[in-house]
Amino acid sequence: NAGVTQTPKFRILKIGQSMTLQCAQDMNHNYMYWYRQDPGMGLKLIYYSVGAGITDKGEVPNGYNVSRSTTEDFPLRLELAAPSQTSVYFCASSPTSMGTGELFFGEGSRLTVL
Amino acid sequence: GENVEQHPSTLSVQEGDSAVIKCTYSDSASNYFPWYKQELGKGPQLIIDIRSNVGEKKDQRIAVTLNKTAKHFSLHITETQPEDSAVYFCAASRGGGGSQGNLIFGKGTKLSVKP
Repeated sequence: NAGVTQTPKFRILKIGQSMTLQCAQDMNHNYMYWYRQDPGMGLKLIYYSVGAGITDKGEVPNGYNVSRSTTEDFPLRLELAAPSQTSVYFCASSPTSMGTGELFFGEGSRLTVL
Repeated sequence: GENVEQHPSTLSVQEGDSAVIKCTYSDSASNYFPWYKQELGKGPQLIIDIRSNVGEKKDQRIAVTLNKTAKHFSLHITETQPEDSAVYFCAASRGGGGSQGNLIFGKGTKLSVKP
């Protein structure tokens, strides 16, 4: 089973560039999430979605946008990349709300902004 | 705001010893407490979770205890093995509705098991 698939795994951006991190899940989960992980700081929620067409902000949404046109896909868009967005990004999905059950994570996308 | 504190940040044990990681939370409405293991270069993976109506839960060599009164919960790993080496994260659900039961994560504990 593929589970949650993220692409690309690594990317270097210049300040001011834009890019999209792709996330796809094949488990038919309604809930999907984007986290960022900075060294020694745990996981911070950027955006989440409770189903196709519905998205909402998490703790650290500034500088990012998301869309959810299908159940399977949940891309994260970075506009005008800044050095502060250098991080490892994780996409996750769950069959129920994350406060109630297991999150299934992808393997991460490491982004460096120079 | 709500917070989850996790200690220690690093932990080194000899193979076969036990390891204990402790977390405290601030939101009295939290009712779900998962633990995730993250191996190098991988995404976090759930290893055990506990809900507020239970005081202890075991799964082979790992166990989690919850003290609601003191607002703390702990992960216990017995008979540690080198493959237990990883970063472990605790988390607590954010109560009070609103953000669909968001999880608040601790900052992680890097466990090293020496052969």
